[in-house]
Amino acid sequence: DVKVTQSSRYLVKRTGEKVFLECVQDMDHENMFWYRQDPGLGLRLIYFSYDVKMKEKGDIPEGYSVSREKKERFSLILESASTNQTSMYLCASSPSILGANTEAFFGQGTRLTVV
Amino acid sequence: AQSVTQLGSHVSVSEGALVLLRCNYSSSVPPYLFWYVQYPNQGLQLLLKYTTGATLVKGINGFEAEFKKSETSFHLTKPSAHMSDAAEYFCAILQGAQKLVFGQGTRLTINP
Repeated sequence: DVKVTQSSRYLVKRTGEKVFLECVQDMDHENMFWYRQDPGLGLRLIYFSYDVKMKEKGDIPEGYSVSREKKERFSLILESASTNQTSMYLCASSPSILGANTEAFFGQGTRLTVV
Repeated sequence: AQSVTQLGSHVSVSEGALVLLRCNYSSSVPPYLFWYVQYPNQGLQLLLKYTTGATLVKGINGFEAEFKKSETSFHLTKPSAHMSDAAEYFCAILQGAQKLVFGQGTRLTINP
């Protein structure tokens, strides 16, 4: 069974802390994504990576960075957490091309609260 | 750039009634369109997708969607709602060959 695993389901962090959200996939997918989910806004792309050490900014990259040192692992980093980063974070992976015979798979999400 | 708009942030139907969730898209190229479902405290699961070919697409759990180019729509339907269908539903469009752009989501409530 294909899997995208996020290391934490729930996190509570203090303002100003450096926060790491980890995601691992076991499907040998080239692409990995970090989305942020907020009520009424749907999912918004923060960053995505199309290969090891390669990354591209999404729609809302401010305040975030990412790391992909190995193909199976994609980390989202909040350099200095702020309360407006309280949200649900979803990781996804997919083959290099999405089409008729391929699909993206999502992790279960990490609900981050910054206090 | 491609985008999707979901009409209605919250839809409520009775058990056994028709489910209709609306999605309109904007795209300058032939679109690839998707519907995802998110059950409480879970990630997203693919319900169905349209890429090319037949415009009526059948998915899992009895859902289907019809691609209508003239109306730029990709509405999701199910003839008879079940309590287990209560979830949030997201329409998405493929941007380039790799990135999914999502709508705002529609929360479906099923009344007994």
